[in-house]
Amino acid sequence: AQTVTQSQPEMSVQEAETVTLSCTYDTSESNYYLFWYKQPPSRQMILVIRQEAYKQQNATENRFSVNFQKAAKSFSLKISDSQLGDTAMYFCAFTVMQGGSEKLVFGKGTKLTVNP
Amino acid sequence: DAGVIQSPRHEVTEMGQEVTLRCKPISGHDYLFWYRQTMMRGLELLIYFNNNVPIDDSGMPEDRFSAKMPNASFSTLKIQPSEPRDSAVYFCASSDGNTIYFGEGSWLTVV
Repeated sequence: AQTVTQSQPEMSVQEAETVTLSCTYDTSESNYYLFWYKQPPSRQMILVIRQEAYKQQNATENRFSVNFQKAAKSFSLKISDSQLGDTAMYFCAFTVMQGGSEKLVFGKGTKLTVNP
Repeated sequence: DAGVIQSPRHEVTEMGQEVTLRCKPISGHDYLFWYRQTMMRGLELLIYFNNNVPIDDSGMPEDRFSAKMPNASFSTLKIQPSEPRDSAVYFCASSDGNTIYFGEGSWLTVV
């Protein structure tokens, strides 16, 4: 079975500090993409960052970066210089490529609160 | 691009009524997905289409749920008859094969 595990249901961080959200996954596939999505109180799902499994270089998007450890099946998200607007649920997910199609598998999410 | 567009944003309906949720995917995207999000079950994939053809509907909870994609720019998710346990946020999403982009969701409350 393909699964995503986010072991931290809730986290908090002070504004301007750095926080890391953990994610592990399990799949026997070799070709897949990994994602972090942000869901603020508005409930909209916003793509934060994307990583191709075949790339060794960690993806970076402004204050957001990932630590992708393929052998360990780990995909953590680091948020630098945290801002109040980063308060949200964060979902880790991966897309399994199956014969050209794809299915997105989500973790249960981590609720991040940025405190002033 | 306007992104994935869903309607209605919010709907409150009485048990037993038919509910139709609508979605316009991003132009050029070949994949369309319907997800449901509840506190108890998190995000669940209900069904997805590739080039307007349903590929996997194993997540559709029961026969009360049906989804169609008559053309590349429109899809519907219908619940008939609706039940209180169907209350959830329903997301439509589309993909170009690399990244999935979500709509803002349709909040459904069945009373």
